[in-house]
Amino acid sequence: DQQVKQNSPSLSVQEGRISILNCDYTNSMFDYFLWYKKYPAEGPTFLISISSIKDKNEDGRFTVFLNKSAKHLSLHIVPSQPGDSAVYFCAAVANWSGNKLVFGAGTILRVKS
Amino acid sequence: DAGITQSPRYKITETGRQVTLMCHQTWSHSYMFWYRQDLGHGLRLIYYSAAADITDKGEVSDGYVVSRSKTENFPLTLESATRSQTSVYFCASCVAKNTGELFFGEGSRLTVL
Repeated sequence: DQQVKQNSPSLSVQEGRISILNCDYTNSMFDYFLWYKKYPAEGPTFLISISSIKDKNEDGRFTVFLNKSAKHLSLHIVPSQPGDSAVYFCAAVANWSGNKLVFGAGTILRVKS
Repeated sequence: DAGITQSPRYKITETGRQVTLMCHQTWSHSYMFWYRQDLGHGLRLIYYSAAADITDKGEVSDGYVVSRSKTENFPLTLESATRSQTSVYFCASCVAKNTGELFFGEGSRLTVL
């Protein structure tokens, strides 16, 4: 049973508009939630994270929102740029687990110019 | 160059053969990980290591063996490759804090015929 779910396999957005990527989790023991970005033929790179004690974290064009009661988080990219086109993985980790991340299946974002 | 490197980047082998994927990091990070990426599954943890000579199984460890005699190296061995082990394999490392910010290698694409 998947503990971290990304139900949208792909998303297409016009350049300059907002991209919203969603993620749901089932394990209430998770303490940190992260988003990773992956380009073809490269390894994933860390993008942004949020602690379970917060409900929002912002870094430039990227904002992550956490709704603990709904076990849901989302990544907002504003404004979207063609260079944002990539696979985005949602991940979660429990503090006691020694950095063992649990990843979602990923969402392919295409930003059209 | 400093960082985390994987070799080989591409490998084709036959069912039943032993294959070793290498991973080397220059940061002296305590934690190292092996993940495999498959369509529809995202990244799944195979093995992880909290320090030299300390390793433990992840979610999908059957058919794999690891060792960590030195902090900087974390080789992954497929003892008798099967077609289901055709995948892209990523090595990652991080410091000891439990926030999940992993640094990934570029991946090793393995095809088992």
